[in-house]
Amino acid sequence: QKEVEQDPGPLSVPEGAIVSLNCTYSNSAFQYFMWYRQYSRKGPELLMYTYSSGNKEDGRFTAQVDKSSKYISLFIRDSQPSDSATYLCAMTPPRGSTLGRLYFGRGTQLTVWP
Amino acid sequence: DTAVSQTPKYLVTQMGNDKSIKCEQNLGHDTMYWYKQDSKKFLKIMFSYNNKELIINETVPNRFSPKSPDKAHLNLHINSLELGDSAVYFCASSQQWGGGSDEQFFGPGTRLTVL
Repeated sequence: QKEVEQDPGPLSVPEGAIVSLNCTYSNSAFQYFMWYRQYSRKGPELLMYTYSSGNKEDGRFTAQVDKSSKYISLFIRDSQPSDSATYLCAMTPPRGSTLGRLYFGRGTQLTVWP
Repeated sequence: DTAVSQTPKYLVTQMGNDKSIKCEQNLGHDTMYWYKQDSKKFLKIMFSYNNKELIINETVPNRFSPKSPDKAHLNLHINSLELGDSAVYFCASSQQWGGGSDEQFFGPGTRLTVL
């Protein structure tokens, strides 16, 4: 079983839709949960990160973590064509762990059409 | 001011050749990484260096040899290139090693095509 599972899509939605992107994971040592966004032919960039369980909101983006279910989500409200990109979830244990590196999901390719 | 830069951006070469990719970061970070991204966008870690010391060496053929001359540079040399090496190679850096909230900053990628 992979450490982090993410449906690769592709996902295609109309402008203004609410988008839900999800990942599941198997390692309960993970404490930091991140979402990276990668535009075509560019490197990934950090979009949001959340520590442990709970929600975090940043503009139209909301990240949710449910550690009991080992499930994380990214919601995009009022999606825009400029949100079209690949979204990669990533997670890591606390600093000092022997597992200390980022574990990435496969990425979900999102297209928002006008 | 580019934070993480890679050269070259594109590399097209024949099977069996040897090639190098260079990476530099001007963020003052201690840790640098090499990732390989295949055509399906899966980002797979290959190597990580912390303060010029190799700390991650995933299951990568020994044709791939990283080298970190100083904390700001991490190069990747590939011997005897094979068709399966075709991918986009990303360099990244982070403040420290070992988990936690440190953001990884990625370079623009080197698109390697082996013919």
